[in-house]
Amino acid sequence: AQRVTQPEKLLSVFKGAPVELKCNYSYSGSPELFWYVQYSRQRLQLLLRHISRESIKGFTADLNKGETSFHLKKPFAQEEDSAMYYCALRRYGGSQGNLIFGKGTKLSVKP
Amino acid sequence: EAGVAQSPRYKIIEKRQSVAFWCNPISGHATLYWYQQILGQGPKLLIQFQNNGVVDDSQLPKDRFSAERLKGVDSTLKIQPAKLEDSAVYLCASRPGQSLGANVLTFGAGSRLTVL
Repeated sequence: AQRVTQPEKLLSVFKGAPVELKCNYSYSGSPELFWYVQYSRQRLQLLLRHISRESIKGFTADLNKGETSFHLKKPFAQEEDSAMYYCALRRYGGSQGNLIFGKGTKLSVKP
Repeated sequence: EAGVAQSPRYKIIEKRQSVAFWCNPISGHATLYWYQQILGQGPKLLIQFQNNGVVDDSQLPKDRFSAERLKGVDSTLKIQPAKLEDSAVYLCASRPGQSLGANVLTFGAGSRLTVL
């Protein structure tokens, strides 16, 4: 079964501390993975996708096929990073945008 | 560019009543999605349109949910009759189509439904 698991509902860190948001997936074949973010009172938006191997707002995520993980990392958290983060997997056989989302992790960065 | 527009933003109804949500995607976006997000969960795909045709509606509860995109632009999602478990935020999203980088979804603000 295709599944995305985000084990932490809430992650609280202090400003300047490293942050890692965990995402594990279950998938047969080569997965296509994304991180979406929703800031307070804003719309859900794409943060980054593994295929681009990019760093956005200081965040990076590496696909680890051996551990079936796609954890989101940032070395120094900022208060403006506080938001809801969702890991998403493109559905097998589905067209682009047909995504399976995890339940999300709320990141709270304290001053 | 203008974003994905949705209305109404909030709706409260009693169970067994009907409700309709409207979505206007970004101009030129061929593909449109309706997602359901129940409190504490991630979004779940209900239906996907390519222009005015249905691509995937495998997770749409067809006994009570229906959706259409008659002219390949705006879309409506209807629930009739509503159940308590339909309380959720209904998100509309769109993407350009087949162009490079076209797998990035742009989401609307959502329509929050409360069924009493």
